Amino acid sequence: SQQGEEDPQALSIQEGENATMNCSYKTSINNLQWYRQNSGRGLVHLILIRSNEREKHSGRLRVTLDTSKKSSSLLITASRAADTASYFCASSSNTGKLIFGQGTTLQVKP
Amino acid sequence: DAGVIQSPRHEVTEMGQEVTLRCKPISGHDYLFWYRQTMMRGLELLIYFNNNVPIDDSGMPEDRFSAKMPNASFSTLKIQPSEPRDSAVYFCASSSPYYRAPSTDTQYFGPGTRLTVL
Repeated sequence: SQQGEEDPQALSIQEGENATMNCSYKTSINNLQWYRQNSGRGLVHLILIRSNEREKHSGRLRVTLDTSKKSSSLLITASRAADTASYFCASSSNTGKLIFGQGTTLQVKP
Repeated sequence: DAGVIQSPRHEVTEMGQEVTLRCKPISGHDYLFWYRQTMMRGLELLIYFNNNVPIDDSGMPEDRFSAKMPNASFSTLKIQPSEPRDSAVYFCASSSPYYRAPSTDTQYFGPGTRLTVL
């Protein structure tokens, strides 16, 4: 399969806690992106990290990238009930298309 | 810009009928992607176009599926004849190429078409 892998598949936490999701990919990349999908909606781009970057922040989001291990992680700090969604990583390798992971379903309990 | 527009939002049809899904990408985007999402198989790339030309259709499940992009602002995904196993949410997405600053091949998804084949 071309798909990347994400873990955990599902994560349930309390509001205010941090949520960490991990992603592994298979080929050399140009950049790695994270997307969010609310139930019944399309995917929405969250953040992008280039292959020469190791860490990036955007608001409560922190993304790390380890190209030697072909892995990335997404940390959501101080989670809110509104963060409940599925989160997908997607790798880009200059072919024009993205290879999406299978997603992590996050539930944040109020 | 209104974003990626898909129609219809919901489609219910009977097995054997022809189904046509439509997509209008974001103006100026060079790439257009068709995905299918199911609980069992997750998000699958079916086909993608660059400058209206199909680049990779290896994800198209079988000959019953076809996609066209007659111009830069319109694409269709057709299923003929439809089968119950085609029931899924079909997404269209568009992007600019990674080398075109400031864009970096971020994809913009439409709201999807939920297809139910009875």
